[in-house]
Amino acid sequence: NAGVTQTPKFQVLKTGQSMTLQCAQDMNHEYMSWYRQDPGMGLRLIHYSVGAGITDQGEVPNGYNVSRSTTEDFPLRLLSAAPSQTSVYFCASSYSTSTGELFFGEGSRLTVL
Amino acid sequence: DAKTTQPNSMESNEEEPVHLPCNHSTISGTDYIHWYRQLPSQGPEYVIHGLTSNVNNRMASLAIAEDRKSSTLILHRATLRDAAVYYCILRDVLNENYGGSQGNLIFGKGTKLSVKP
Repeated sequence: NAGVTQTPKFQVLKTGQSMTLQCAQDMNHEYMSWYRQDPGMGLRLIHYSVGAGITDQGEVPNGYNVSRSTTEDFPLRLLSAAPSQTSVYFCASSYSTSTGELFFGEGSRLTVL
Repeated sequence: DAKTTQPNSMESNEEEPVHLPCNHSTISGTDYIHWYRQLPSQGPEYVIHGLTSNVNNRMASLAIAEDRKSSTLILHRATLRDAAVYYCILRDVLNENYGGSQGNLIFGKGTKLSVKP
């Protein structure tokens, strides 16, 4: 079972470059979300989606865009990378927003120089 | 969002029980208590959740105070693999409206559990 798959696992960017972190799940989950985790910190919610075509902002949305064209995929876009976006990014999904287990991907480590 | 308070760190000996406390004095009637843990260099993983009654599963037990203002995650026999950061999180069950944020998991800093051989 693949679960939640994130790509790439590692990425180095220069300031101002753009990139997309990919997230895919094969569990037919309606809810998907993106978190970032800085060293020694807990996870902070960036954006989330409760179904295809529906997205909303979390705690720290600035500098990130998302879209949800299919149930399976929830890409996170950095339009103009900044050093402050150096972090580990986790994608997660669950059957619904209100109950049940949240499944996390293995993370994508991003460094912005 | 209702908040939780956990100790920053705890230590345990291998094969002994571990009781990880969590205070949530502002919990509402519709908040579930969720526990997740994060092993080093991995994404968080679900441990257990409950509403009012104590809960058991293969990983742990969750003891919830009668007034629901605190809870305790119990690992019955700690192993070295249980060394992780444990997060206690409240999740509102009433999130019927698309776009509502109440159902999101908001992580604090958690408790870092160290297990000594």
